[in-house]
Amino acid sequence: EIVLTQSPATLSLSPGERPTLSCRASQSVSSNLAWYQQKPGQAPRLLIYDASNRATGIPARFSASGSGTDFTLTISSLEPEDFAVYYCQQRSNWPLTFGGGTKVEIK
Amino acid sequence: EVQLLESGGGLVQPGGSLRLSCTASGFTFSNSAMSWVRQAPGKGLDWVSSISSSGATTYYADSVKGRFTISRDNSKDTLYLQMNSLRPEDMAVYFCAGGKYNFGTLAYWGQGTLVTVSS
Repeated sequence: EIVLTQSPATLSLSPGERPTLSCRASQSVSSNLAWYQQKPGQAPRLLIYDASNRATGIPARFSASGSGTDFTLTISSLEPEDFAVYYCQQRSNWPLTFGGGTKVEIK
Repeated sequence: EVQLLESGGGLVQPGGSLRLSCTASGFTFSNSAMSWVRQAPGKGLDWVSSISSSGATTYYADSVKGRFTISRDNSKDTLYLQMNSLRPEDMAVYFCAGGKYNFGTLAYWGQGTLVTVSS
């Protein structure tokens, strides 16, 4: 099973700041990685698929990069609606696995 | 508008069974691989099972293998999860998810249905 480790666990930031979230895989997943955003009481929302492709309707302030074992998600300038938990997920090997999440909270 | 609507959750005793359903609309369900993902209260996301667009191929997490069965009826645009021998650790919100892009990328999500396993 591929283990995804996200860091940091929590980011305390102000609107307008630029967070960078990390996801590290225990073995190569090539570019088969997605990022999701989840707000309290809501279902997750797909942000990025195949490591760097924004999903339909996702604002351009969300960008992502990486391949192999190291991946990053960057939000160029935090908007109030971006405070949420972010998960990475790999589809390279079964079982599908998710990282433990990074919470982006208001400082 | 894409919609995934889960139903069938509820309270069940340990060892009991439940069947979850997920009805899709707004996209071509029959062309889409689908999955079930669960989330225990206050915890992260936990993949449960996936099924190919035709239903010919299925995958399961080790934690549910032999107890849960995923299936689909493309004529009804509906995904199912039959859950048997339920355990307290199966208690979670169950989301159906799937859709476009590729197998294993979860583009669309339902709102979730709560499964409570307790005596």
